[in-house]
This record gives sequence, C-alpha cells and structure tokens, in this order.
Amino acid sequence: GQNIDQPTEMTATEGAIVQINCTYQTSGFNGLFWYQQHAGEAPTFLSYNVLDGLEEKGRFSSFLSRSKGYSYLLLKELQMKDSASYLCAVKDSNYQLIWGAGTKLIIKP
Amino acid sequence: GAVVSQHPSRVICKSGTSVKIECRSLDFQATTMFWYRQFPKKSLMLMATSNEGSKATYEQGVEKDKFLINHASLTLSTLTVTSAHPEDSSFYICSALTGVTEAFFGQGTRLTVV
Repeated sequence: GQNIDQPTEMTATEGAIVQINCTYQTSGFNGLFWYQQHAGEAPTFLSYNVLDGLEEKGRFSSFLSRSKGYSYLLLKELQMKDSASYLCAVKDSNYQLIWGAGTKLIIKP
Repeated sequence: GAVVSQHPSRVICKSGTSVKIECRSLDFQATTMFWYRQFPKKSLMLMATSNEGSKATYEQGVEKDKFLINHASLTLSTLTVTSAHPEDSSFYICSALTGVTEAFFGQGTRLTVV
C-alpha cells in the first residue's frame, strides 16, 4: 500500500530552527509537496520537489532524497505565526496526490 | 500565485436539504479540480477528481449520487451535497491544478448539518 509518515506533533521555540521529516512509500513518484495549514483554513502551497536536493525559499527550505523516500521541511527564524500543521504529499505514478496526516507545529515564545 | 475562490465559507443546513459549494479559479483555467473532505485533526481525504466537460472520477467509498460534481467550465466546479445528514458535516476543500506541479486550494467550506 501507499504510505506517508510524518511526526504527529513538534514543539519549537520562537527564533529557532525546526526540521519536519516525511518518509514515503508510493507506487511511483512524480513530485513531493509541502503545504501549511492553519486551523480551520485550507492548505497553502509551500514547496515542490521532484529532483534530489535542497530547494530554498526564504525562511523555508525543502529537501528530497528519492532513493531514500525521504524529505524534510526546514523552517528557520521561527515566528509565532508559523504555528500550524504542515502537510507532506506525494504525487504517485497516476499523478494522484497521496497525503500525510500532517505535523502540528507548536511555537513557544 | 494563482487564486482559487470557494464559496460559501460556512453553511448550516437542515437534514434532508441539499447544499451547493462552488469552486472558481480566478486567474487561470483549470481543466482539473479536486474535491477533498477533512475531518477534525485528520488529513485531507480526496473525494473526487473533476475534469472539465466530463464526468467526475470518484474515489472508492464516495457516493456519487450523494456528492454531485459538475465541472461545467474551465473556471468553475461545483459540489452538491444532496439529502444532507449530520454525518456529512465536515470541512470541504477544492483545489485546482496549474500545469502538473502546483495545486492551489480554495478557502474551504465548513458544512454543518442540523
């Protein structure tokens, strides 16, 4: 079966750095996405990786290793507004998005 | 980035009635739109894939006669929840594809059936 694993919850301190991991086992791979979702709101797109390596976008970076079925989202200089759930999703061989359950990130002052 | 507008954001309806939710891509044409359902503290669950001009493709376990999807134009897809029951209460989200890389989400609709 297809499976995406990410930690359920993480806690970090304002101003610090946090890394949210995502491992996947899917039938085929056509890209990995990270989304941010605040409570009660729809997800917003953060990043897309299809090749191995690190993609940097301001305070957020996303890394992919296809051989290991692994990705992480790195958030730097954490702000209170970064408190949200972070969803990892993989597009499989049928171009269907398979979603992880999300990681709830709690930022403490 | 691309904008997807979903309406209404919140709706309360009585059991047995029908509710229509609209999803519009405002500044791009979306040949494919997706409808998701999300339960509290759970991940997104894909309900169906909506393709302009053809019938929607429903995921296993989703009743196509209960959740009617119409993708009448390249910028509009609608989801109608028919004969709503309290167990249909949920957060419904649409998304539209731009190319093959990015999916932009609507704001979501919180449906409460009383």
